Amino acid sequence: DAGVTQSPTHLIKTRGQQVTLRCSPISGHKSVSWYQQVLGQGPQFIFQYYEKEERGRGNFPDRFSARQFPNYSSELNVNALLLGDSALYLCASSLQGRGYTFGSGTRLTVV
Amino acid sequence: GENVEQHPSTLSVQEGDSAVIKCTYSDSASNYFPWYKQELGKGPQLIIDIRSNVGEKKDQRIAVTLNKTAKHFSLHITETQPEDSAVYFCAAVPINRDDKIIFGKGTRLHILP
Repeated sequence: DAGVTQSPTHLIKTRGQQVTLRCSPISGHKSVSWYQQVLGQGPQFIFQYYEKEERGRGNFPDRFSARQFPNYSSELNVNALLLGDSALYLCASSLQGRGYTFGSGTRLTVV
Repeated sequence: GENVEQHPSTLSVQEGDSAVIKCTYSDSASNYFPWYKQELGKGPQLIIDIRSNVGEKKDQRIAVTLNKTAKHFSLHITETQPEDSAVYFCAAVPINRDDKIIFGKGTRLHILP
């Protein structure tokens, strides 16, 4: 049974560019959340989507946006990249908002 | 605001000994406390969790305790093994905000041979 899959695994972007990260939840999971993990820190909550609706948003600027598709997969988009956006971006899915299963993440490097 | 403090940041124990990681949380509305293990190159993996109506929970070599009054919770690993080496995160989830997991900063656990 496939877990949470994220793509790409690694990405290098230049300051000012835009990036889209993708996540496929575990089959049957309708809730998807995104987290940012800076090196040496715990993950920080960015967004949660449930049944294609945004249910929660963390303390991140409007440059960060996300959406969830009818098949419950999700995309995280970051505009006007800054050096400080370099981090591991994690996607997690759950059935009803508890017991989240995390993917292995996308390592984003902004140069 | 909501915050989870975790100590120590680094912990080295001899193989076979016990390891204890301690956390405190600030939001008294938190009612769910998961613990995650993160190995290099992987995402956090849920290893055990506890709800606020329970004081202690055990799963083989791992146990968690919760003191709601003091807003403290701890992870205990007994008979440590080399594969226990990883970064461990405690977390808290506020009631009615199950969309948001608030993580501690992590503890890097080294198991010494």
